[in-house]
Amino acid sequence: TQLLEQSPQFLSIQEGENLTVYCNSSSVFSSLQWYRQEPGEGPVLLVTVVTGGEVKKLKRLTFQFGDARKDSSLHITAAQPGDTGLYLCAGGADSWGKLQFGAGTQVVVTP
Amino acid sequence: ETGVTQSPTHLIKTRGQQVTLRCSSQSGHNTVSWYQQALGQGPQFIFQYYREEENGRGNFPPRFSGLQFPNYSSELNVNALELDDSALYLCASSGGLAGGGDTQYFGPGTRLTVL
Repeated sequence: TQLLEQSPQFLSIQEGENLTVYCNSSSVFSSLQWYRQEPGEGPVLLVTVVTGGEVKKLKRLTFQFGDARKDSSLHITAAQPGDTGLYLCAGGADSWGKLQFGAGTQVVVTP
Repeated sequence: ETGVTQSPTHLIKTRGQQVTLRCSSQSGHNTVSWYQQALGQGPQFIFQYYREEENGRGNFPPRFSGLQFPNYSSELNVNALELDDSALYLCASSGGLAGGGDTQYFGPGTRLTVL
């Protein structure tokens, strides 16, 4: 059972378009992390957000943490084929990094 | 700096057998966590080891057990394998409370297939 719900499950867009992935939970987390996972590889950390209302930008990626620290979003501007992958959100309830993951959003960006 | 490594890469077993998966943590990290990722799902937390002691466990039966060694490498053992144990097993290391425990560095995983 995934405590974190991600939507949509699958997203297919053309290069240059924008996209947003959502991560929602009924639980409060001390931190929320976003990962990208390629086939046959482990997840790679993109960002960690810890403060309610926090917004972080990583080049064309913008991450928001909800005020109540229960939800988050990832927005990609002008998507490129290299952004293709499985995007996972994960919540940490303490400082030890025992993470609860969502089921992931598969993003496919076609040229 | 060496990243997290796991062995073997792939493994095929039959129901009822036992399996041992291995993980070498990133240099300087004293905490190792294990996750199970079934096809089409996000990773599920199995357990975590800190300085050779179990430091939390997810909702997995006792036939899933682990060890952490003095050099902070770790093993995941699964007894009496079931078909549903087929998954990608991920190891993640971190620096523990003093070293930014929230930041987990994942290995490439071991793909286990149970026939």
